[in-house]
Formats: sequence, structure tokens, C-alpha cells
Amino acid sequence: SQTIHQWPATLVQPVGSPLSLECTVEGTSNPNLYWYRQAAGRGLQLLFYSVGIGQISSEVPQNLSASRPQDRQFILSSKKLLLSDSGFYLCAWSLAGRWYGYTFGSGTRLTVV
Amino acid sequence: AQTVTQSQPEMSVQEAETVTLSCTYDTSESDYYLFWYKQPPSRQMILVIRQEAYKQQNATENRFSVNFQKAAKSFSLKISDSQLGDAAMYFCAYRSETGGTSYGKLTFGQGTILTVHP
Repeated sequence: SQTIHQWPATLVQPVGSPLSLECTVEGTSNPNLYWYRQAAGRGLQLLFYSVGIGQISSEVPQNLSASRPQDRQFILSSKKLLLSDSGFYLCAWSLAGRWYGYTFGSGTRLTVV
Repeated sequence: AQTVTQSQPEMSVQEAETVTLSCTYDTSESDYYLFWYKQPPSRQMILVIRQEAYKQQNATENRFSVNFQKAAKSFSLKISDSQLGDAAMYFCAYRSETGGTSYGKLTFGQGTILTVHP
């Protein structure tokens, strides 16, 4: 069966520090991968998505970047965090195909202080 | 771009009663999927139910059912026999199946917080 792992679960970082959040998927090949941010416990905003190794599409201009160095690994990064980067970050995967929704990771709560 | 609107920020229901959560969406596409996700206090996103736009029959999953009105672009979720474990934030989501930049991406509404009273 497929599983998705996301870590760390919580992170407190000072303003100006770097960030690296990691997401890995097991039990499937060539998944579509997504990074979402949920601010203030409300709607989810798509940040990045990837349909293959090295293929990254950005949805929102921001202080963040994403990379996909391996087929089932998706990384969210920042060189210098801003206070506005605080939020709950969710990684998700899906398979190309008509029926599939997304399967989400357990999320990372990021607090920038 | 597609938009999803959940007009009820909060709803409440008595245990064992029925509650309906509303969702409307705006699209010019004819081929898409609609989803309801549940986010309990743990914040894990859980898929509740899904609906294919080209199917007229409303989807049902145990106590959860939808009322899909394609012409009205409405997709409501009905929870029957509500249980304490149903308390969560519920998100309506739209997935485009039409080619282009929106293909395969989920667009979420702002969510509805459901409280279940014992």
C-alpha cells in the first residue's frame, strides 16, 4: 500500500534562517506531488506541484522554493524565512488518472519567530 | 480559474441528527471531479467522498452523501446520524480534468467547521 511521510511535524525557526521540509512517498511510482500551505486553520493554498523529477511548477510567487531530486521525494525550502511564512504545510500525492483525489501527509506546523 | 465557495464558516448538529454542508463552485469546464475532505483536530486531511461531474447519480459513502447539481454548480455534503467523531473542518475541493495549466490540481474552499453536540 502507498504511504506518505512528511517531517518534521513541528518546527520553530527564527526570521532569516533557512528551511527544509521533506516529503517522501512509498509504494508507488511517478506520483504527482504537491505542497500546500494552510494559514490560520482555513483554506489550503497550492504552493508547488511536480509531475516528475526536476519538474517544478510554482503557483504563488514567494520566499519559498521546491525541488524533486528523486521520483518520490519532494522538498520545500527557503533561504531566509519571513514571519509571513508561518503556517501549516501539507504535502500530498496523487496519480495521474481520472478517479484519484489526493493523499495528504500529516503536515508540518512552522512557526517563524 | 476555478473558485470554490463554502458559505458556512461554522455549522453545528446534535448527535444522531442530520446536517448539510454547502459548497458552490465556478467553472467553465465540463469535465471535473469534486471532493469533500475532512480535517479533524489532528489536521490530517481525510478524503470523505468524491463525485465525477459526468455522473448524474449522487455519490454515497455510508453516512455521507452528496447532492450534486451540475447546472447550479452546487455540491453539498449530507452527514446522516452524526457522530461525535464527525466533528472537524470540512473542505470542498474541485479537480480539473480538462487539459491546460489547471489539470489535476485541487482547488479548495475555505472550509466549514462542524461541531457535534452530544
